[in-house]
Amino acid sequence: DTGVSQDPRHKITKRGQNVTFRCDPISEHNRLYWYRQTLGQGPEFLTYFQNEAQLEKSRLLSDRFSAERPKGSFSTLEIQRTEQGDSAMYLCASSLDTGDVTEAFFGQGTRLTVV
Amino acid sequence: TQLLEQSPQFLSIQEGENLTVYCNSSSVFSSLQWYRQEPGEGPVLLVTVVTGGEVKKLKRLTFQFGDARKDSSLHITAAQPGDTGLYLCAGDRYNFNKFYFGSGTKLNVKP
Repeated sequence: DTGVSQDPRHKITKRGQNVTFRCDPISEHNRLYWYRQTLGQGPEFLTYFQNEAQLEKSRLLSDRFSAERPKGSFSTLEIQRTEQGDSAMYLCASSLDTGDVTEAFFGQGTRLTVV
Repeated sequence: TQLLEQSPQFLSIQEGENLTVYCNSSSVFSSLQWYRQEPGEGPVLLVTVVTGGEVKKLKRLTFQFGDARKDSSLHITAAQPGDTGLYLCAGDRYNFNKFYFGSGTKLNVKP
């Protein structure tokens, strides 16, 4: 296992189309996070899973966004009816909840461009 | 309003110079992470600090966590062009189970 893997790395889509991104976390990690990053800004929290349960969603996550982690392993983030404002880097991270210090490890991200 | 404020936003220096980047908040964090991010890539974890007053060294990089666990600094000695990138601090607050990021410091080290 070499780390968090995201697919695709880049996605260009027309406004109004649906897109889906995949994240494969580090295998033993039980927590998975989705973040969004726009140019010149730090990552903004979108949502996180503990195993298969989605425990928190940011207000940034509109009804057009949905995330799943069906078997507590990989996760998908779907954006429906994309808008130009959705253009950003979508980052996935995973961590192991040991009850002690939590360290999040990020994937390489999916760069979304909505035209 | 961001929970973590980083300064400076941009820093352009010559190879061999020293620099310090700051990460400040009015909130207490249970731990704080520093990441480096290159264009088009995800953030790469450099270090995690946990104890107030803690100092950690990673080769030419020195990280310090404030006594009150509200702020942190990253000092780079004799910067090299390979240090170029976006430096992000991220805090983990008790029972919040997510990481709050600063907006980053973009460092450019010129040869």
